Amino acid sequence: GAGVSQSPRYKVAKRGQDVALRCDPISGHVSLFWYQQALGQGPEFLTYFQNEAQLDKSGLPSDRFFAERPEGSVSTLKIQRTQQEDSAVYLCASSLGQGWVFFGPGTRLTVL
Amino acid sequence: GQQLNQSPQSMFIQEGEDVSMNCTSSSIFNTWLWYKQDPGEGPVLLIALYKAGELTSNGRLTAQFGITRKDSFLNISASIPSDVGIYFCAGLLYLTGNTPLVFGKGTRLSVIA
Repeated sequence: GAGVSQSPRYKVAKRGQDVALRCDPISGHVSLFWYQQALGQGPEFLTYFQNEAQLDKSGLPSDRFFAERPEGSVSTLKIQRTQQEDSAVYLCASSLGQGWVFFGPGTRLTVL
Repeated sequence: GQQLNQSPQSMFIQEGEDVSMNCTSSSIFNTWLWYKQDPGEGPVLLIALYKAGELTSNGRLTAQFGITRKDSFLNISASIPSDVGIYFCAGLLYLTGNTPLVFGKGTRLSVIA
């Protein structure tokens, strides 16, 4: 596609519910990143894939957060047993390398 | 997590004025990126800088990669209403592969017509 796409754009979950957020990167981009952006803050790194390999997951805030990219293209970020503090915008980004990192529109998650 | 120091936090300027914002870090980077984010959207890449001392322009935007590799600035000339938004700097230490971007907290720009 022309850019990084994410779905859903908005998600409202009840506390304790599991959610799954999808990212479709730019075709051919081997690197895929997930970031979390709290209100009024800059994006903060969650995890990074190169093709299907998850090379860095140091930013995942707890073991309730899980990400996968099984075929090296589409990625899913899953949050189990959501908590109110998980409310944020979740941004996906992809890159061919050398710093040209392109972001999707984000998924705004609200946990009630 | 680690973040860059970005200033100012917010700016209110008259249409037509020039704008300058900067970003500093305690760590060195070999790539600096500047993004603009509109409400409800993801960050859009404006300028990428790869070399210490490099000065790059994109239309009315000019950005520089500091000599120390620990800072960068972004200038916007002759601001217009559509320049409104949040501007983020991001640093990257690109070695043998991609490493995560580290972001500043953003500069919120408001333009008064």
